[in-house]
Amino acid sequence: AQSVSQHNHHVILSEAASLELGCNYSYGGTVNLFWYVQYPGQHLQLLLKYFSGDPLVKGIKGFEAEFIKSKFSFNLRKPSVQWSDTAEYFCAVKGNNRLAFGKGNQVVVIP
Amino acid sequence: NAGVTQTPKFQVLKTGQSMTLQCAQDMNHEYMSWYRQDPGMGLRLIHYSVGAGITDQGEVPNGYNVSRSTTEDFPLRLLSAAPSQTSVYFCASSYWVGEDRELFFGEGSRLTVL
Repeated sequence: AQSVSQHNHHVILSEAASLELGCNYSYGGTVNLFWYVQYPGQHLQLLLKYFSGDPLVKGIKGFEAEFIKSKFSFNLRKPSVQWSDTAEYFCAVKGNNRLAFGKGNQVVVIP
Repeated sequence: NAGVTQTPKFQVLKTGQSMTLQCAQDMNHEYMSWYRQDPGMGLRLIHYSVGAGITDQGEVPNGYNVSRSTTEDFPLRLLSAAPSQTSVYFCASSYWVGEDRELFFGEGSRLTVL
């Protein structure tokens, strides 16, 4: 079964700072990759997804992620965060009929 | 479209009681799944289904049963609740073939077992 690693579980940064969240996975087969966001008190929503093609994927709210196959990574980035980006972010990998999530990154943006 | 609907939103049980968390989707999705979310643990897959009549175990299936008699519904049953099952439960569904395979989540069910 695949597994997903997210580091730096808690991230605190100021508005306008840049954000990068790492995601590494272990699975030898073809994968589909996702980043989901969970705002306080809400359910998970899709930020962006990668199935094939251009490894640099752009999502909603100015987020983007880059799939690096050789590094088994799918890191999330945003050049300039806002207070409203305070949320928990989850990387997910789909392979072999299962979608596995990482443990999440709790991001707090200070105004 | 209502999307993915979960009921109840909140439930308190005593140890040993049984209950069923309901999940329904109106998007004709083949794939449905149940996750539990615990602090610092992320989302862990309990059971999933790739179509009516087909279910399989996920990462943490013990203590939970599921069935998929229709495409729309995927109930999760706790046969004898334990305090370790205190968690927030999310149902999610998606298409399983084709490019549009985003998971759609319900709003969650918060379960407390005393």
